[in-house]
Parts: sequence; structure tokens; C-alpha cells
Amino acid sequence: DAGVTQSPTHLIKTRGQQVTLRCSPKSGHDTVSWYQQALGQGPQFIFQYYEEEERQRGNFPDRFSGHQFPNYSSELNVNALLLGDSALYLCASSLGGRRLHFGDGTRLSIL
Amino acid sequence: GENVEQHPSTLSVQEGDSAVIKCTYSDSASNYFPWYKQELGKRPQLIIDIRSNVGEKKDQRIAVTLNKTAKHFSLHITETQPEDSAVYFCAASSGGGADGLTFGKGTHLIIQP
Repeated sequence: DAGVTQSPTHLIKTRGQQVTLRCSPKSGHDTVSWYQQALGQGPQFIFQYYEEEERQRGNFPDRFSGHQFPNYSSELNVNALLLGDSALYLCASSLGGRRLHFGDGTRLSIL
Repeated sequence: GENVEQHPSTLSVQEGDSAVIKCTYSDSASNYFPWYKQELGKRPQLIIDIRSNVGEKKDQRIAVTLNKTAKHFSLHITETQPEDSAVYFCAASSGGGADGLTFGKGTHLIIQP
């Protein structure tokens, strides 16, 4: 039973560029949440997708956007990248939003 | 919004001793409190969770207690082992966990042999 998978594992971008991160949820899960984890900090909630719609959003600017597909997989898009966007981006899936299972994350570095 | 404070930031205990990590939350609407363990370079893993209708929950060497009146909850690990060394995060959310989690800043637990 595959868990949550994310791609790519690492990514290097420059300021001003755009990036797309991908996530496949654990089998049987219907909800995908995205979190940003800066070095030495706890994860911060970006947004949650359910039934292909953004159900809830944390305190992140609209440069951060997402999408959920009919097969429950999801993408996180970040536009106009800033140095402060450098972080580990974690995808978590769940059934109805409960008991999150995290992926290994995408390490994004902005130069 | 919700604010979760976690203490201590670093905790060093002798192997076999107990470890306690404490968290406080601000939003009285929060009703779901999970704990995650994150080893270096790995994903956060859920180790135990508790809902607000329960005051205590135990799973082998791990227990969590919740005091809704004081808005604090704690993680207790007994008979610590070297493999317990990791960063532990507490979190809180409303909606029974269906809403986004607010995490604490983490506790680096070091088990001394």
C-alpha cells in the first residue's frame, strides 16, 4: 500500500520564477493538505483540498495556489518566488481531513 | 487564529527515564490534538492523537493528557529508548481534525545512553 508520494524531492529555483510541486495521496484518502516547513520550525498550514476545491486556507499570500484532480492527486503552485519561500513543502493526505499522513516532502531552494 | 506554544525546545534524558513535552493552545474551539515525531530528514509521523472529549489516551510507552480548562496538553514517553531521539511536534485544530493543523515549534528529544 503506497503512502503519500511527492515529486520532485529537491528543486532549485531563482527569485521571480514559478514552481509546481506534485502529490499523490495515500490509497483511500480523499483530502490533501499542503504545509510549509522552514528549517528548525514546525509545519505551517498552506491550504487543504477536498472534492477538487480549496476547503480551507492558512495565512499565505495568493502567490500560493493549488489544484486537486479527480484522482485526488494535487499540485501546489508558487509564483514570483522569494528567498523566504525556501523550505520543505510537505503534502499530507487524509480521509475527510482527519489523521494526516505526510509525504517525504519537496526541498525547495531559492537562489 | 490558533497559536500553539511548545516547551521545552530541547530535552535531554537518560535512557530508561521518562520524558514530558508540554503544549498550550489559544483557541477554545480547538478539539483535536495530534503529536508527530520527525526524525532527521524524514517525514512527520503521527504517534498519538487525542480529541477534546477525552482527558487521557495511552498507547504502550506513549501517553497524552489534555486539560481543556487550562488549554494545555502534554506528551509523556516512559522507559525512553535511543530510537525515541527525534523532534516532536504538537498540533491543534478545530473541526475534529478536519481543519488545518497549527503546529508548535517542536521539541528536540535527545536520549543519552
